Amino acid sequence: EAGVAQSPRYKIIEKRQSVAFWCNPISGHATLYWYQQILGQGPKLLIQFQNNGVVDDSQLPKDRFSAERLKGVDSTLKIQPAKLEDSAVYLCASSNFLGNQPQHFGDGTRLSIL
Amino acid sequence: LAKTTQPISMDSYEGQEVNITCSHNNIATNDYITWYQQFPSQGPRFIIQGYKTKVTNEVASLFIPADRKSSTLSLPRVSLSDTAVYYCLVGASGGYQKVTFGTGTKLQVIP
Repeated sequence: EAGVAQSPRYKIIEKRQSVAFWCNPISGHATLYWYQQILGQGPKLLIQFQNNGVVDDSQLPKDRFSAERLKGVDSTLKIQPAKLEDSAVYLCASSNFLGNQPQHFGDGTRLSIL
Repeated sequence: LAKTTQPISMDSYEGQEVNITCSHNNIATNDYITWYQQFPSQGPRFIIQGYKTKVTNEVASLFIPADRKSSTLSLPRVSLSDTAVYYCLVGASGGYQKVTFGTGTKLQVIP
């Protein structure tokens, strides 16, 4: 089966600019996650979707970050305006709804803020 | 959410068996234990998952004692390509439950 697809692979922007990341989960996976991974740290959950509804966004900086999952498939994560501390890898993962199914990750988007 | 504690780093020679232990004292009854592997510039990759006793697949074994307050990931005869960060997670994925990544264990395999 095809894995989780993310684009772009790399992005460089200046602070205060906006940026968007795209994720296409594994077909049939109802649960979708966005993580932020700062260099040397483990992934930190930003938001979790169940189909097109938000399950958990408690760690999403809502003043600058937004995410949507229209039609319960693809998802986009946006940052506006970007800050220097947003430099990180943004990972998307998906999993089946039922049971204790593991998460399948994409290879992420590496964001650099100048 | 159950908190996990793992060694920050480990070194091993090629061909040796490596055991990475994870402590999770407040694991809940419904929680599973899942291990992921992450290489540089890649997303984490699922290795193995278990609930109790022992689980084995083609790449690793997972040992879980009866009290489930810890678990050990065992990698047989490691090679240089096993150099990576290994994460222990406790919880349940999917549905309305979630897991939290810790800082992981950086395994360095030495020739």
